[in-house]
Amino acid sequence: NAGVTQTPKFQVLKTGQSMTLQCAQDMNHEYMSWYRQDPGMGLRLIHYSVGAGITDQGEVPNGYNVSRSTTEDFPLRLLSAAPSQTSVYFCASSYASAGGYTFGSGTRLTVV
Amino acid sequence: QKEVEQDPGPLSVPEGAIVSLNCTYSNSAFQYFMWYRQYSRKGPELLMYTYSSGNKEDGRFTAQVDKSSKYISLFIRDSQPSDSATYLCAEGDNDMRFGAGTRLTVKP
Repeated sequence: NAGVTQTPKFQVLKTGQSMTLQCAQDMNHEYMSWYRQDPGMGLRLIHYSVGAGITDQGEVPNGYNVSRSTTEDFPLRLLSAAPSQTSVYFCASSYASAGGYTFGSGTRLTVV
Repeated sequence: QKEVEQDPGPLSVPEGAIVSLNCTYSNSAFQYFMWYRQYSRKGPELLMYTYSSGNKEDGRFTAQVDKSSKYISLFIRDSQPSDSATYLCAEGDNDMRFGAGTRLTVKP
């Protein structure tokens, strides 16, 4: 049972490049979310999904796209990377809308 | 103003001390409250989950919610060096709102 798996663990991008952060869970959770964590600001919600085919925006969605074609996977796409997107990104999943989420180990992204 | 406010610390205590971590929130409609623990360079892990007001105890940890004052607390009894981590309070369901986190160090 792997839980929530995020790849890659580390990434350096140049400004303007695009990339996809991968997130997969093997717990058959319907609810999945993406957060970014910046010093002094805690975790901020980027996008979330309540099931396959259903996504919605969080607090800081600009510059990011998501889709949810399967229950297991919830990739996050950076369309045109900017230095302001340098952060640690966490994917999380839950069996219910409330009750707490299981987090992945994070992707550390640097945009130069 | 952030919806969930948390003193970032850092907080340093001797082993065996009782630790009190606190958050305030602004929206009286909030119902679900959580505490997460995050070790350095790791993802957050759920410690405690409470619904509405009241206390919840799990081993050395007690979570308390006071909706009248919009205050949530986490108490750690008999603190251990292994408790050294950042503690994040959170509220919500699909769209959780987090405090900034309090960094705790428990010294042997």
